[in-house]
Amino acid sequence: AQTVTQSQPEMSVQEAETVTLSCTYDTSESDYYLFWYKQPPSRQMILVIRQEAYKQQNATENRFSVNFQKAAKSFSLKISDSQLGDAAMYFCAYRSTTSGTYKYIFGTGTRLKVLA
Amino acid sequence: AAGVIQSPRHLIKEKRETATLKCYPIPRHDTVYWYQQGPGQDPQFLISFYEKMQSDKGSIPDRFSAQQFSDYHSELNMSSLELGDSALYFCASSPRGQAGDQETQYFGPGTRLLVL
Repeated sequence: AQTVTQSQPEMSVQEAETVTLSCTYDTSESDYYLFWYKQPPSRQMILVIRQEAYKQQNATENRFSVNFQKAAKSFSLKISDSQLGDAAMYFCAYRSTTSGTYKYIFGTGTRLKVLA
Repeated sequence: AAGVIQSPRHLIKEKRETATLKCYPIPRHDTVYWYQQGPGQDPQFLISFYEKMQSDKGSIPDRFSAQQFSDYHSELNMSSLELGDSALYFCASSPRGQAGDQETQYFGPGTRLLVL
């Protein structure tokens, strides 16, 4: 069974600085998808970025980028020019490509605090 | 853009009562997923439906049942409620069987259930 691990329960970053959130996963599959979701105090789950395992190029979305290391099974999220609105829980999620198994497996989350 | 709609947004029930949560997916999305997020926890997958058929089952108690209707909306029925069922229940949808971003799940705002 696949597992997702986020080893940083909480991180802090100064406004305008850069922060990296870690995520590792365990799987025997070669093709899968990885996601980062943001959950602000409203508890809405908001998609931040996604990565297809078959793509070597790291995904980027504006100030958000990932460092995907397939061999190491690592999928970290880098937030550049941090803003107060980035403060939230961040969940890493894994999605299989096995037919019929499309559920997300989430990590335990990292709470990001942004300091003014 | 249209989003996933969940109703009710808040629900308070007594122990041993029943509750029904509703989910209306994004138009043209044919797949619905249900997740349960306890306080301070990551979302846990309960069940999913594709084209009105159950496609995957997670840690859903036998007291819970769900279905997807012809208009693709889904309902999660919860009976004999227990204190431990107090949680945020998310519905997510994706366009699995259709062209588009099949791998990404788009989450609704959630239903907060409190069992007293």
